[in-house]
Amino acid sequence: DAKTTQPNSMESNEEEPVHLPCNHSTISGTDYIHWYRQLPSQGPEYVIHGLTSNVNNRMASLAIAEDRKSSTLILHRATLRDAAVYYCILSPNAGNTPLVFGKGTRLSVIA
Amino acid sequence: DTGVSQNPRHKITKRGQNVTFRCDPISEHNRLYWYRQTLGQGPEFLTYFQNEAQLEKSRLLSDRFSAERPKGSFSTLEIQRTEQGDSAMYLCASSPLGNGYEQYFGPGTRLTVT
Repeated sequence: DAKTTQPNSMESNEEEPVHLPCNHSTISGTDYIHWYRQLPSQGPEYVIHGLTSNVNNRMASLAIAEDRKSSTLILHRATLRDAAVYYCILSPNAGNTPLVFGKGTRLSVIA
Repeated sequence: DTGVSQNPRHKITKRGQNVTFRCDPISEHNRLYWYRQTLGQGPEFLTYFQNEAQLEKSRLLSDRFSAERPKGSFSTLEIQRTEQGDSAMYLCASSPLGNGYEQYFGPGTRLTVT
């Protein structure tokens, strides 16, 4: 499985934008980039995914580098409820095969 | 739809005992996954089903672990002769068949082996 690298932790002020980076230099041409997050004491929840183009949904935006070797999850206005561990995951299809989680980035949001 | 449910939410057992966990996926979701998560780590894949067929098992799934999904609906994960190293959060997820769908996770069953 292709490997991703994320910072262990990040901190943000409430209502500020947050940019969570992910490096995946060994990504293959058919790998999708998925982001999940895990709030305290809960199972992971899907945030967003993409292949080549940038993607937006109600939760976040995903910016994918032109060479696809890195991506950035953007939370436009962090709230206290966004404090979670964020996982960047590569998958050979759009989502319905086993996911390989790393350790993710623990995001703290300061009021 | 109430989402993926798991029972029990917490289980404390003594080493050597057998335990069984249940997962009820979102109805009509063909695929069902089991993951295990230890403290400070991301979830690790254990096994998954498409309907009642078990498609893949991780090498993490030792002979003491068995999973079933007899009618393609709910699934059970049994651990025989539990060991302290089995203490973890066991997560279940489900997804529809086909591309473009995320996995929906349940709240997990936390197992403590004493």
